[in-house]
Amino acid sequence: DGGITQSPKYLFRKEGQNVTLSCEQNLNHDAMYWYRQDPGQGLRLIYYSQIVNDFQKGDIAEGYSVSREKKESFPLTVTSAQKNPTAFYLCASNVAGGFATDTQYFGPGTRLTVL
Amino acid sequence: SQQGEEDPQALSIQEGENATMNCSYKTSINNLQWYRQNSGRGLVHLILIRSNEREKHSGRLRVTLDTSKKSSSLLITASRAADTASYFCALGGAGGTSYGKLTFGQGTILTVHP
Repeated sequence: DGGITQSPKYLFRKEGQNVTLSCEQNLNHDAMYWYRQDPGQGLRLIYYSQIVNDFQKGDIAEGYSVSREKKESFPLTVTSAQKNPTAFYLCASNVAGGFATDTQYFGPGTRLTVL
Repeated sequence: SQQGEEDPQALSIQEGENATMNCSYKTSINNLQWYRQNSGRGLVHLILIRSNEREKHSGRLRVTLDTSKKSSSLLITASRAADTASYFCALGGAGGTSYGKLTFGQGTILTVHP
């Protein structure tokens, strides 16, 4: 099956801990994105990567970090510096962040709760 | 970055009726996309309309784009209970500086009663 997978589906974190959310795609897409969604809200962009070994901050990057060592993988680390990390996290990908923005394909999401 | 403003925030209709959702924005865009999200799930792309297009159809969906008014609408005809979901507009290439990025609106929650 082609698509984007995210794991885990649910994640619980204690105060002061770092946690890493996994995102993998086998669509051969160049660009990958991380969004945060709070209840009843739209999506806000955390980080994005348009090519391997390169990534840019989105609108709400503080307290988060990413890496893009492989084309198919774009893990997100929620650090202890993120003051309010409880949210639904969505990963997406598309063919290329080129001139004509294309459809983004989304994973099923990870719900992070801070205890 | 700019965001699409959607209205209504919530819409409740009976099966068989049409549902119309609107999205307005402030700066220039390359394209505008509509996505659907079932509760607790990822988003699914519905339709993309480019800035040089005025109307697009896909099955029971009709999207219009008026760049002079900076607004778009999504019409779902003959709605079904399975259409119950949140619908988001997303701005592509907003302001000419954000190719590859999408900016999402707050969404419209659609409830279709059987």
